[in-house]
Amino acid sequence: GAGVSQSPSNKVTEKGKDVELRCDPISGHTALYWYRQRLGQGLEFLIYFQGNSAPDKSGLPSDRFSAERTGESVSTLTIQRTQQEDSAVYLCASSLTSGSFSYEQYFGPGTRLTVT
Amino acid sequence: SQQGEEDPQALSIQEGENATMNCSYKTSINNLQWYRQNSGRGLVHLILIRSNEREKHSGRLRVTLDTSKKSSSLLITASRAADTASYFCATVWNNDMRFGAGTRLTVKP
Repeated sequence: GAGVSQSPSNKVTEKGKDVELRCDPISGHTALYWYRQRLGQGLEFLIYFQGNSAPDKSGLPSDRFSAERTGESVSTLTIQRTQQEDSAVYLCASSLTSGSFSYEQYFGPGTRLTVT
Repeated sequence: SQQGEEDPQALSIQEGENATMNCSYKTSINNLQWYRQNSGRGLVHLILIRSNEREKHSGRLRVTLDTSKKSSSLLITASRAADTASYFCATVWNNDMRFGAGTRLTVKP
């Protein structure tokens, strides 16, 4: 079946411009995560959506970052007034939560963002 | 913020040798998971171990969990060049999952 998809796969933008990244989770997955990964580094948690609950925004690095999710489907991550330090791969993952012991995440291929 | 911390940060071995990576964490967990990442893109889930389990196997992978020491280890036996990748541990507590910075494994043919 279809996995998690992300678009665009690559994005080059000029400093100061806004960008919007999209994530299509696996159908039926109630949880959706956004991560940032800088070159050669680990994953940095950004934001987490779980069903209709208020999202956990504790990982967003600044107020230039925001994310939305429509129900249990598509999510968009928006970065306003991009800076060069925003350059990274942005990964989206979804999972089917069924109790507190089953949180295998399925990752998308990521969007590589380059801010020039 | 990140939860698990992998050790070592980088590991280089010869094909056929075993590779051991460790993960330490600071808070309680429901479960701990290991993922592999090739070429800086999407991660692939390898194995999940629950907090009440001590060891799990999957093919050439063996994961142990010591909740008293708040640590886990991932053992890859008889490594292959194709195992070259970054390996991440992730801890789950309530409705939250956090990743460590990863171990970069290089298997030389």
